[in-house]
Amino acid sequence: DTAVSQTPKYLVTQMGNDKSIKCEQNLGHDTMYWYKQDSKKFLKIMFSYNNKELIINETVPNRFSPKSPDKAHLNLHINSLELGDSAVYFCASSPTGKNSPLHFGNGTRLTVT
Amino acid sequence: GNSVTQMEGPVTLSEEAFLTINCTYTATGYPSLFWYVQYPGEGLQLLLKATKADDKGSNKGFEATYRKETTSFHLEKGSVQVSDSAVYFCALLFGNTDKLIFGTGTRLQVFP
Repeated sequence: DTAVSQTPKYLVTQMGNDKSIKCEQNLGHDTMYWYKQDSKKFLKIMFSYNNKELIINETVPNRFSPKSPDKAHLNLHINSLELGDSAVYFCASSPTGKNSPLHFGNGTRLTVT
Repeated sequence: GNSVTQMEGPVTLSEEAFLTINCTYTATGYPSLFWYVQYPGEGLQLLLKATKADDKGSNKGFEATYRKETTSFHLEKGSVQVSDSAVYFCALLFGNTDKLIFGTGTRLQVFP
């Protein structure tokens, strides 16, 4: 009974392709996130959604489009993949409320060749 | 802007050694502070947190105290184990946002 689950765990694809990463949480949280971790382990927020509504949209190329069909799911679609998109992408969720810690998925390692 | 600075790793220790991983922050206001741990091949897990000045967060033998005067939240453990080998992230969060800001992470390697 994984709390935050992402699929796939590994994704290898060629430049120019379009791919999606799925995320689901069964914690009943209202807020979900996508973070990107680069090769140096640096973590940066990309998006957050609260009850299907976009709350945070950092400076991310518009090739990246999050979609939240319901508050338990937040998918990430990436168009026209580039070499620089290679990274580990983490989904996370948190309950509404101040200072709530995030619960992370195990990550999706995307490799663009 | 708001940011978190951590000491660069890797930190390499023998089992049972004392651990300190430094973390300082820059923030306009009074954020909550967190330490997350990332074991190999896994996502981040919350290790401990502190929500106001002088609070001490603790978990699994790790401790960190929120020091407003030095804007620091250093992570300490009295006796590390091989199983503590991981990457540790310091982070801050303002209660009126959902944006958790991470430091660059510090890799800890513990040898028997």
